[in-house]
Amino acid sequence: SQQGEEDPQALSIQEGENATMNCSYKTSINNLQWYRQNSGRGLVHLILIRSNEREKHSGRLRVTLDTSKKSSSLLITASRAADTASYFCATDDSGGYQKVTFGTGTKLQVIP
Amino acid sequence: EPEVTQTPSHQVTQMGQEVILRCVPISNHLYFYWYRQILGQKVEFLVSFYNNEISEKSEIFDDQFSVERPDGSNFTLKIRSTKLEDSAMYFCASSDLVRGSPLHFGNGTRLTVT
Repeated sequence: SQQGEEDPQALSIQEGENATMNCSYKTSINNLQWYRQNSGRGLVHLILIRSNEREKHSGRLRVTLDTSKKSSSLLITASRAADTASYFCATDDSGGYQKVTFGTGTKLQVIP
Repeated sequence: EPEVTQTPSHQVTQMGQEVILRCVPISNHLYFYWYRQILGQKVEFLVSFYNNEISEKSEIFDDQFSVERPDGSNFTLKIRSTKLEDSAMYFCASSDLVRGSPLHFGNGTRLTVT
């Protein structure tokens, strides 16, 4: 079974609005990461939050983690057309040794 | 900024043929990974590699697949006898720590099996 599932699968917003994406996972984790993928390209790391952290900020990104609910959210504030991409959460299974598992992704479209 | 590079960017092969996908990880990284993504779907873990050994592999990574670090810079994924369902984007990634370190991805090789 897959580790992470993002919600919604697709999101379309106007430039300047905020975008919120959610991720749920199944097993205990050490870290949760968010990645971005532009169409046809590799994934780019955005932010990492450790299991003992609840919130983290990086520029226009805000990530929260709720380990009791096994969920995380990524908020992009003041979105830009250039934020159009797919966003994936990724977790490392605390029982595993070297395996980072990606979720199903949220496809974000920011309309200028 | 250092990059992970993958070659070729696109590989077309006939069913049953062997293919080798090549990757040059970031030079001071120690952990290497292969992932695949079928037509914009989820990114699936294939295998991780450290100290010249496979650390973890998924159920997708069966006997048709193998990985190798033939020298100090390259990291390869070999598919021995390709099937139509192997058509996908294959991404190589590397990291400098086993935990708590971001993965750095290449731009992928699009494999098309005909």
